[in-house]
Amino acid sequence: SQQGEEDPQALSIQEGENATMNCSYKTSINNLQWYRQNSGRGLVHLILIRSNEREKHSGRLRVTLDTSKKSSSLLITASRAADTASYFCATDSTGGFKTIFGAGTRLFVKA
Amino acid sequence: DAMVIQNPRYQVTQFGKPVTLSCSQTLNHNVMYWYQQKSSQAPKLLFHYYDKDFNNEADTPDNFQSRRPNTSFCFLDIRSPGLGDAAMYLCATRRGDTQYFGPGTRLTVL
Repeated sequence: SQQGEEDPQALSIQEGENATMNCSYKTSINNLQWYRQNSGRGLVHLILIRSNEREKHSGRLRVTLDTSKKSSSLLITASRAADTASYFCATDSTGGFKTIFGAGTRLFVKA
Repeated sequence: DAMVIQNPRYQVTQFGKPVTLSCSQTLNHNVMYWYQQKSSQAPKLLFHYYDKDFNNEADTPDNFQSRRPNTSFCFLDIRSPGLGDAAMYLCATRRGDTQYFGPGTRLTVL
């Protein structure tokens, strides 16, 4: 069964607004990652947060992790039209190389 | 510079006609993955390798096979493609906790 569930499934915002996406997962994890996928392309790694971290920043990205709730959020600040893409969370189960992806949030940023 | 290369980018095959998708990497990473991704869905793990150690997901159909002759190359063989196998197939490598994806091969089954 799928490890990660994301909401919302789709999000449409104006350029300059912030976008927040949420991810929930089911089992213990070593880390949680966020990936971006432009239409019809491969995924690109954005940011990783380890299970002992609560918040991490990278440029306009901010990721939080709450292991007690088994949830994470990705915030994109000051969004741009070029941020239009699908965003996936992914988790690694402990002790292996198996990565499970969430269903993804499709973000559309209107110029 | 391309790091994970997939060929072809688009593949059309006929129902039941075997097809092979290829992936190569210039990163010299030990771990490689094959994922299937259908429209508006999450990538679904089919297999992964650690070096030549092959790991098959329990729900990967027997119709899907994989080969990794060396570190750089990995192949996905679909023995008898059905209409339900039409999808994007993504190859990825891994170093540490980060995966590096190729651009994908979009498979159409007629």
